[in-house]
Amino acid sequence: DAKTTQPNSMESNEEEPVHLPCNHSTISGTDYIHWYRQLPSQGPEYVIHGLTSNVNNRMASLAIAEDRKSSTLILHRATLRDAAVYYCILRRGNFGNEKLTFGTGTRLTIIP
Amino acid sequence: KAGVTQTPRYLIKTRGQQVTLSCSPISGHRSVSWYQQTPGQGLQFLFEYFSETQRNKGNFPGRFSGRQFSNSRSEMNVSTLELGDSALYLCASSLGQGVNQPQHFGDGTRLSIL
Repeated sequence: DAKTTQPNSMESNEEEPVHLPCNHSTISGTDYIHWYRQLPSQGPEYVIHGLTSNVNNRMASLAIAEDRKSSTLILHRATLRDAAVYYCILRRGNFGNEKLTFGTGTRLTIIP
Repeated sequence: KAGVTQTPRYLIKTRGQQVTLSCSPISGHRSVSWYQQTPGQGLQFLFEYFSETQRNKGNFPGRFSGRQFSNSRSEMNVSTLELGDSALYLCASSLGQGVNQPQHFGDGTRLSIL
């Protein structure tokens, strides 16, 4: 699986936007970019995914660079409930290879 | 809509015993995956089932096994437990196979080996 690189930790003030970066310079044309987050004492939670175009859903937005070598997860207005570890994952389009390969992720701290 | 349900939430066993963990996927989901999470190794993939067939397997010893039933419910079994098997075991389900399918996780079973 292609590797992703994320900062170990980030801090943000409550009610401000948060931009979480992810580098994936070895991404291939069929790799989907997925984001998950894990709150304390819970299983990972799906946030968003995309292939080439920017994506929006009720939780967040995903901005994908034109060359696809990086992406940014955007939380538009951080709340204390957004404090979690955020994982950026590439999933290659091979049938029968559905596993998620988690890196170390970014630990996001929200400051009240 | 009910989420992924894992039972039990907590389990304490001793070395040498065996354990069975259960996972009920979201209704209509046919793919179930299992992961092990430890502080040292992070989240590691165990195996994935689709339509009662194991489709993919991670790098774990044969003591770790699983199965899926016709209603998509899944179980995993660990035999001859070792201290290093202490971990959070997570189950995830998805509607089908395909890397554009999100996986939805349960809150896990925390297994402690004494």
